[in-house]
Amino acid sequence: SQQGEEDPQALSIQEGENATMNCSYKTSINNLQWYRQNSGRGLVHLILIRSNEREKHSGRLRVTLDTSKKSSSLLITASRAADTASYFCAVHTGANSKLTFGKGITLSVRP
Amino acid sequence: NAGVTQTPKFQVLKTGQSMTLQCAQDMNHEYMSWYRQDPGMGLRLIHYSVGAGITDQGEVPNGYNVSRSTTEDFPLRLLSAAPSQTSVYFCASSYRGDTDTQYFGPGTRLTVL
Repeated sequence: SQQGEEDPQALSIQEGENATMNCSYKTSINNLQWYRQNSGRGLVHLILIRSNEREKHSGRLRVTLDTSKKSSSLLITASRAADTASYFCAVHTGANSKLTFGKGITLSVRP
Repeated sequence: NAGVTQTPKFQVLKTGQSMTLQCAQDMNHEYMSWYRQDPGMGLRLIHYSVGAGITDQGEVPNGYNVSRSTTEDFPLRLLSAAPSQTSVYFCASSYRGDTDTQYFGPGTRLTVL
C-alpha cells in the first residue's frame, strides 16, 4: 500500500524562489526520509527525520514533521537550476514494516 | 569508496531469457535491497537482505531471485524475463537497515521485448 504521498505532483518555479513540497502518510511512523533523483540517476538521500523530531535543517533544506497531521514538508530556499529533479518521501512505519516510497514530485527551476 | 555499483547500465532481453543484475557495495553495509521504478510510480521493493546468507521478499518478488553469499554482493536474477519486468532497477544499501539512510546505485535500465 502507498504510504508516503507527495503533493504537488509537479512544481515549476523561478530561480531564487522557495520550493515547498509536502508528503502525507496514513499510519504512525518510525521515521520519514526525503530523497532527490536527478534525471537518469539513482536516488540521493537528503534528510531523515524521526517521529520525535519536528524540524531538521541541512544547508538550504528544511524539513518539518507534524505527526498529528501525518504530514511532512520539504522546503528548498533560494532555489537554483541545479535543484531541478524529482523528490521522493519515504516512510518507515515500524519494526515489521519496510521503507515505502511515494511517487515523487517533479521540481523544475527555471533560470 | 565507490559506494554502490550496478552492472550493466542498460540491457535488452527477449521474453523468456534469463539474466543477472549485479550489485556491489564497498561500505561494509549489512542491509542491501533491490527496487524497481516504473513511470509515474514510486520505488517498489523486490527483495532485501539483512546480512550475508539472509534474504527476504519485498512487495513485488515474483519472477526474481536473490542470494547474498558475501556482505559486498547482492545479485538479482530474472528467471524468465517478461515484458512486465521492463523497468529501471535500483540497488541500495545501508549500515543497519531500512530505518537508516539508504545509498543507491545508479540503476540498470532493462527492456524486455
